Order: sequence, then structure tokens, then C-alpha cells
Amino acid sequence: QKEVEQNSGPLSVPEGAIASLNCTYSDRVSQSFFWYRQYSGKSPELIMSIYSNGDKEDGRFTAQLNKASQYVSLLIRDSQPSDSATYLCAVPMFSGGYNKLIFGAGTRLAVHP
Amino acid sequence: DGGITQSPKYLFRKEGQNVTLSCEQNLNHDAMYWYRQDPGQGLRLIYYSQIVNDFQKGDIAEGYSVSREKKESFPLTVTSAQKNPTAFYLCASRGSGTASEAFFGQGTRLTVV
Repeated sequence: QKEVEQNSGPLSVPEGAIASLNCTYSDRVSQSFFWYRQYSGKSPELIMSIYSNGDKEDGRFTAQLNKASQYVSLLIRDSQPSDSATYLCAVPMFSGGYNKLIFGAGTRLAVHP
Repeated sequence: DGGITQSPKYLFRKEGQNVTLSCEQNLNHDAMYWYRQDPGQGLRLIYYSQIVNDFQKGDIAEGYSVSREKKESFPLTVTSAQKNPTAFYLCASRGSGTASEAFFGQGTRLTVV
């Protein structure tokens, strides 16, 4: 089982729709979860972080966390063509006393006009 | 300006050569990370460091080496033992708390010629 898993997509949604991106993680004790957006050829940029069960909203973005199910998701409302990118889920995990930051493979989102 | 600087942006390596990728940060972050990204793939962890003079192997450390002599700097050497080094290399830094967010440099694109 991979430590952080995402559906690679592509996820295709029409402009104005809600895009739903999902991520599962293996380490039951993980406490922090991050979503990054990466445009083609560029480095990832942080868009959301979430630490507590439930929803966290920031503009058109909502992160959802369910620690019991080891599941974190990102909703993008009113999707725009400029949202077309790869979305990466990241989870810090402890290993032998060290804290490493593990990324999922990313989900490619395509928003079409 | 606070941030992470990677250099060079593009690097070409001949077969059998070692090359060193630079990563410098002025965010006063304790942790630094190196990732490799292949086309259409996620980020794979090469090495990470939580404090000066200490670093840990990630999932794909073979053929790579690092040093952490200063808090601000975490250079990555791609050795001739790395048989398929062509990839996009990303450096990130992060504070020491589990809730700390990671920030990336602009990346180095390495090509074997």
C-alpha cells in the first residue's frame, strides 16, 4: 500500500462545476495534511492545509478531513480553466524519529469551457 | 525577499559525470527536502534533513548524495551511479512543527546528453 494515494485522473469538469479531488493515507497517526497545485513545468504551490476533522473553506476551495477513514479531499467550487493543473496531496509521516513529507502521485484536473 | 532558491534552472550532464544542484533558503526552516519528479508522475523523496549535519535517505536515494553543513543550504549531488537522472528536481523547506507548511524552489531540470 502506498503511503499517500490519489487517483491520477485526468479529472475533467466543465467550467463552473465542482471538482472533487481525493486522497487517502496509510499512517493512522498523521496530524497534518496539505494540498498543493502544480502547473505544468512549474514547482508546487501550497493552496490549503487542514489539521482537524471536518471542513475548512478558503474562497472557492474547501478541504475535508476524516481521520477515522484516513481520507482527505479538496473541493473546488465554480471551477475555472485556470484551475487546470495537477493537485498534490502531502502528508508528514514519522519514520524512525524523523519527519518526512510524502506526496501522492497527484490528480490532473482539466476544466473545459 | 524570503524564499528558496534553486540553481541552475536547467542543467545538462554527460554520461559518467557527477553534478551538484544547489538549494538555498532564507526562511530559517529546520527541515529541507529533495524530490525527483518524472513526466506525468508525482514527487518522490530522495533525501531529507531535519537539522544541520544530519540527513536521511528517502525512497529513491541510490545514486544521489547530500550534505547539510549550514542550515540555509542543502545541495544534492547526482552521481554517475544514478543511471537515469533525467528529471525535474525540486527542493523544499519546512519549519520543524508537524503543522508546518513546505515551500518549494523553482526546480532544476536535469537532462543527460
